[in-house]
Amino acid sequence: QKEVEQDPGPLSVPEGAIVSLNCTYSNSAFQYFMWYRQYSRKGPELLMYTYSSGNKEDGRFTAQVDKSSKYISLFIRDSQPSDSATYLCALTGTGTASKLTFGTGTRLQVTL
Amino acid sequence: EAQVTQNPRYLITVTGKKLTVTCSQNMNHEYMSWYRQDPGLGLRQIYYSMNVEVTDKGDVPEGYKVSRKEKRNFPLILESPSPNQTSLYFCASSLLREREQYFGPGTRLTVT
Repeated sequence: QKEVEQDPGPLSVPEGAIVSLNCTYSNSAFQYFMWYRQYSRKGPELLMYTYSSGNKEDGRFTAQVDKSSKYISLFIRDSQPSDSATYLCALTGTGTASKLTFGTGTRLQVTL
Repeated sequence: EAQVTQNPRYLITVTGKKLTVTCSQNMNHEYMSWYRQDPGLGLRQIYYSMNVEVTDKGDVPEGYKVSRKEKRNFPLILESPSPNQTSLYFCASSLLREREQYFGPGTRLTVT
């Protein structure tokens, strides 16, 4: 079993839709949870950074962490064609989880 | 402008011909790392460096070497490249391992 599981997609939604992207993980020692966005032929860039459980909102983006279920989510409201990209979750922590571990990424396509 | 630069961006080479991919950051970050990205496998860490003269293996270090003689530079060396090292390579830096990673633009390497 991989430490971090992420559905590769592709996920295709119409403009204006609410998008939900998710990752599950197995190591309870993960404490820091990140979402990166990667456009085609570019390096990943950080979208959201959260520590421990709870929600964090930034504009149209909301990151949610449920440590009891080992489940993290990224919600995109009012999705735009410019949101079309691959979204990667990344987790790290201490001890057995001290390495930064990436999900394989979910490819999102927002259509007009 | 804060950035991570990599060179070259594209490289086609033949099996066994030594090559170096350079990485430089201008943010005075202590932590730097190299990743390779392959379809279906996501980002996998090759090597990382916590500071000058301090390097350690990541998940897939076989066939690669690194050095960290200066804080800003972290070159990746393939002494005898093989076709299974054909991949997209990213250099990244951050203040601390668990903080935001800033990625370079990527180097697409093809080994024939």
